[in-house]
Amino acid sequence: KNEVEQSPQNLTAQEGEFITINCSYSVGISALHWLQQHPGGGIVSLFMLSSGKKKHGRLIATINIQEKHSSLHITASHPRDSAVYICAVIYDGSEKLVFGKGMKLTVNP
Amino acid sequence: AAGVIQSPRHLIKEKRETATLKCYPIPRHDTVYWYQQGPGQDPQFLISFYEKMQSDKGSIPDRFSAQQFSDYHSELNMSSLELGDSALYFCASSLGLAGAYNEQFFGPGTRLTVL
Repeated sequence: KNEVEQSPQNLTAQEGEFITINCSYSVGISALHWLQQHPGGGIVSLFMLSSGKKKHGRLIATINIQEKHSSLHITASHPRDSAVYICAVIYDGSEKLVFGKGMKLTVNP
Repeated sequence: AAGVIQSPRHLIKEKRETATLKCYPIPRHDTVYWYQQGPGQDPQFLISFYEKMQSDKGSIPDRFSAQQFSDYHSELNMSSLELGDSALYFCASSLGLAGAYNEQFFGPGTRLTVL
């Protein structure tokens, strides 16, 4: 059983829609990453969080440490946001990333 | 700003051959992580190095070995290649061991195809 759960697994949206991607994990972490991967492409780190909320352009990431849950929000979605979004965590006492299975987002024009 | 560099970007090998993948971390970064992402799979941690010493080991086959050199670049050596080794291999680097304060930065990956 994957220790990092993401939902939904796939999402198709229309351009301009507000999108939320969820991530939950099982035990205490020191950090959580939101990553973006385009088809056949490399991984780009969007955010690293250990508490609170971060914003960059149209992207907002939040984390609730007590509930072991994080969300990535995309406002005013655009077709170029189409990619796989991966949540990955670093568990307390470790330094390696444990990845979720990713969520494939398709934004149609 | 300089990023993590991986070479080669693409590699095609036959079964039972040997492959060497290289990772050049961001300047001043002393920690390197290797991950393997099979087709349609989520990335899996292989091995990491901090200050030229192995710091953690994941699901890395015995046929694979890796090291970090004095200039902090790292090489992943893969022998007796199998079809199942076909994957995208990422490395990431950080300044110090990754955690709440030290972020991992990813390279573009090396796509290995074993025929």
